[in-house]
Amino acid sequence: EVQLLESGGGLVQPGGSLRLSCAASGFTFSSYAMSWVRQAPGKGLEWVSAISGSGGSTYYADSVKGRFTISRDNSKNTLYLQMNSLRAEDTAVYYCAKVYMIAAAGTGSFDYWGQGTLVTVSS
Amino acid sequence: EIVLTQSPGTLSLSPGERATLSCRASQSVSSSYLAWYQQKPGQAPRLLIYGASSRATGIPDRFSGSGSGTDFTLTISRLEPEDFAVYYCQQYGSSPPLFTFGPGTKVDIK
Repeated sequence: EVQLLESGGGLVQPGGSLRLSCAASGFTFSSYAMSWVRQAPGKGLEWVSAISGSGGSTYYADSVKGRFTISRDNSKNTLYLQMNSLRAEDTAVYYCAKVYMIAAAGTGSFDYWGQGTLVTVSS
Repeated sequence: EIVLTQSPGTLSLSPGERATLSCRASQSVSSSYLAWYQQKPGQAPRLLIYGASSRATGIPDRFSGSGSGTDFTLTISRLEPEDFAVYYCQQYGSSPPLFTFGPGTKVDIK
């Protein structure tokens, strides 16, 4: 059974830093691209960042580029999101999500999601 | 940047009725990379449809997707009580941002 378990959320002051983790199990982690998607309270979904299975390619939304860094440790089956220079508008539930692939080809969608971790940026 | 627009914002229907949700893109989207998700309060999104018309594993056949180019549709043939939720369309493209979500359509009980 595929499981994604996020951790590391919490309350942080504006300008502060936080590192989120997503522990994966139930699939060959290194074979799949992974992503972070966030949802501000009462709002819709916003894609944040993605990383290839090897970790060699990373992608970011303009809203977080230069402040957030996505990485992965395939030996530990764990995805990370390092968040620096946090702003009030970064307040959201952060989900990690597995990219859905069929026959080694991406479908451009996310087939498994974690339950999310809440990040609150406030003084 | 491709912008997705969903309509209506809210759809008020009764169980057993048919729901038709629209997703319109500002530029042509590859049908291979258009997906639909369902989200209930306090839960993570659930993949319903990928490739514009393929149902994800375990999704009932009352859910169907169609469309191409800039206009896509999610249809729920007969609403069940558990189908009242928010639905998002999402596209993947080769230019940034890599993934884009629509603002969502809420299907609530009339």
